[in-house]
Amino acid sequence: KAGVTQTPRYLIKTRGQQVTLSCSPISGHRSVSWYQQTPGQGLQFLFEYFSETQRNKGNFPGRFSGRQFSNSRSEMNVSTLELGDSALYLCASSLWTGTGYTFGSGTRLTVV
Amino acid sequence: TQLLEQSPQFLSIQEGENLTVYCNSSSVFSSLQWYRQEPGEGPVLLVTVVTGGEVKKLKRLTFQFGDARKDSSLHITAAQPGDTGLYLCAGALSAGTASKLTFGTGTRLQVTL
Repeated sequence: KAGVTQTPRYLIKTRGQQVTLSCSPISGHRSVSWYQQTPGQGLQFLFEYFSETQRNKGNFPGRFSGRQFSNSRSEMNVSTLELGDSALYLCASSLWTGTGYTFGSGTRLTVV
Repeated sequence: TQLLEQSPQFLSIQEGENLTVYCNSSSVFSSLQWYRQEPGEGPVLLVTVVTGGEVKKLKRLTFQFGDARKDSSLHITAAQPGDTGLYLCAGALSAGTASKLTFGTGTRLQVTL
């Protein structure tokens, strides 16, 4: 079966711009989570959606937002980009919240 | 604040050697997962342990969850170059129907011929 698909794979944006990243979970998976990975901070939890509802949120500023659609596809948005937002953004899906996650290959965002 | 500390941070060994990676926390987790991540890819789930004291074996990999569900270890027997990668432990903190993973600091393993 198809895995978790994230688009785009690579993105270069300028400070102050906004960006939208997309995630298509494994078919049938209703839980989608987003993580930010940087060399200094490692993997940090952004938020989790389950059946279109945000169930949990990490300690990130309000510039980071997300949503989930009725088909379980999810998007995350970062507004007013800062240099420190440069990171690998990973999406993970699971059948139920809290069970083993399948990660996508990520979107590498570079802010210049 | 990093809730999960892994040790060692880096490990470079030769093929055939054994190794153990530790994952420690002061928090109690409902479950703990181990992932391996290769450059340019997302983490791949290796195992989930949920019961204190649980031991799971996956070919040459042995995973153990501490009795108090605060720590875990990963032991690799006779390491091979294909084991090279970033190993991450992740604890699940469940609050009702919601859950999030707290990842460890990571252990970068390199296995050479």
